[in-house]
This record gives sequence, structure tokens and C-alpha cells, in this order.
Amino acid sequence: DTEVTQTPKHLVMGMTNKKSLKCEQHMGHRAMYWYKQKAKKPPELMFVYSYEKLSINESVPSRFSPECPNSSLLNLHLHALQPEDSALYLCASSQDPGYAQPQHFGDGTRLSIL
Amino acid sequence: DAKTTQPPSMDCAEGRAANLPCNHSTISGNEYVYWYRQIHSQGPQYIIHGLKNNETNEMASLIITEDRKSSTLILPHATLRDTAVYYCIVRVALGSSNTGKLIFGQGTTLQVKP
Repeated sequence: DTEVTQTPKHLVMGMTNKKSLKCEQHMGHRAMYWYKQKAKKPPELMFVYSYEKLSINESVPSRFSPECPNSSLLNLHLHALQPEDSALYLCASSQDPGYAQPQHFGDGTRLSIL
Repeated sequence: DAKTTQPPSMDCAEGRAANLPCNHSTISGNEYVYWYRQIHSQGPQYIIHGLKNNETNEMASLIITEDRKSSTLILPHATLRDTAVYYCIVRVALGSSNTGKLIFGQGTTLQVKP
């Protein structure tokens, strides 16, 4: 069982919809991450939050908007997505953002854009 | 781009040791080697990581060569539930920050057979 919880597990939305993905961890971790994984491809980093502040944006289109309301929660707000945005969206957390700390992943939200 | 090279697939008999190789010839002195695995429809699962010394935990052992240009993940007694994609990752620092970025390569698909 994973200690990083993502909701919903599945989401189908139209290109004009607005929806949000949610990620929660209660391990006291101070770094949180969003990754995108297309079918049969490895995960790719999108955003890094460090101590509740956005520290890394890997040139992600503005139709993806991350938010970190507190140290346990991470949201990804979606608006005007394209069919090519259909993918598995993974959240991860680590004790701190340093590269000696392992990241722990949730099981993801499988997103389909109609 | 990923800094690691792995065989695309391997087979292992159930109950035998699975030895998964990884080349990372351009690794820098402060970069860690991480291993994750991903079972179908789940998020990546952290296995083990190391810098210079060999490491062992309840899941696996990590053997890093003295020149650090390659490593081997050892699952001592493979079971059918170990069938997964195994990722060897060199965690690089992002810019001048201490934030470690996981750059996933294509991984090795390990098939454990009865």
C-alpha cells in the first residue's frame, strides 16, 4: 500500500472542463512532485514543490496549474486540456527536496481527455 | 536525457536471484543511483539507492562498481510478484539547487517465470 494518496483514480473530462487532481501525504514530507506518464513510457517530471513553494516548473503548459495549500496537500488544476494530455498523473513526496532522499509515489490518476 | 542504460528485458526463474545490470558511465561524484520498479497500473515503488558503497535492505541489494560506472540490483529470491519494469536512475541536481531530479530511462522489464 502506498502512503501517498491520489484522488480520483480515474477522470474523464472534455476539453472545455475544469477539474482538479488531489494528492495527500501524512509522512511529514516537505517536498512534493507531479509527474506525467504516457502509455508505455517512463514518468516525466512536471513540478516540484519545496517547503510549500514552487521550486521547479519543467516548462509545463499553463493549462496545468499546481497548488500546494499546505505541507500535506498538493493539487493539480486542469483547464482546457488537449487530447494529448491523456496520461497517468503521478504524485510523489520526499522528506526534503535533496537528492539523497527517495521519492515515494502514489498510484496516480488516469486522465482521459475527450 | 536519461543517464543510464539498461537491457530492455530479462527473464528469471521463480526462487532464483534476479540480477539487473545498469550502466551509468557519465555519473558525477555527488550523484546517487536509485532503483525503482513499476508494476502494471501502479505508481513507481522505491527499492533502494546508493552513492558509493553497496547497500542492502529488505527488498534488494545494490552493488556499485568501484569506479561507479555501473551497478547491479539483486533480488535474492524472485517471486512472480516481482514481475515489473525496473528503473535505474541517476539522480541529478537541478541547476544550482539541491533538488534532485529523477530522470527515468526506459527500464528493464523483468519477467519472473514459474
